[in-house]
Amino acid sequence: GAGVSQTPSNKVTEKGKYVELRCDPISGHTALYWYRQSLGQGPEFLIYFQGTGAADDSGLPNDRFFAVRPEGSVSTLKIQRTERGDSAVYLCASSLGTENEQYFGPGTRLTVT
Amino acid sequence: KQEVTQIPAALSVPEGENLVLNCSFTDSAIYNLQWFRQDPGKGLTSLLLIQSSQREQTSGRLNASLDKSSGRSTLYIAASQPGDSATYLCAVSNQAGTALIFGKGTTLSVSS
Repeated sequence: GAGVSQTPSNKVTEKGKYVELRCDPISGHTALYWYRQSLGQGPEFLIYFQGTGAADDSGLPNDRFFAVRPEGSVSTLKIQRTERGDSAVYLCASSLGTENEQYFGPGTRLTVT
Repeated sequence: KQEVTQIPAALSVPEGENLVLNCSFTDSAIYNLQWFRQDPGKGLTSLLLIQSSQREQTSGRLNASLDKSSGRSTLYIAASQPGDSATYLCAVSNQAGTALIFGKGTTLSVSS
């Protein structure tokens, strides 16, 4: 079956601009997670959705970051007033529930110039 | 704050060797532990999931163990192959199961 998909695969933007990153989870997975990964590091948790609600947003670094999942399927990560330090690979994962394996998408590489 | 450490950071072995990757974590109050593989420029592939009540899981040539009380997990790879070359990441979930905390990974190179 289809895995987790993310679009775009690459995004280059100028400092100060707004970006949206999209995640399509595996069909039927109610849990959705966003992480970001910098070079040479493990992924860092950002936010977790159970259904439509953000059940844990403790990893969001500041209020420039926001994510939605309005219908309990597709999720969008939104970053306002981008900074060069936001450059990273943004990974999305989904699972049947918190007790189950997380399956990751290929990521979106964000470069802020 | 949970911290995950993976040792060694890099490992090179000849084909056919058995090897062990180590993972340690500072807080034993975890929900589960997951091992992943990451190829260069790619996303993560799940290898094994161990629930906090379990001691080990096996899949093919891979065996992962968990000793929650001592904060340790090992990933054993039998009869390594060049195709096993990748970065291996260990991740523990927080107690609520809502987030994975990752180590920095072990980069494995298997030469033919």
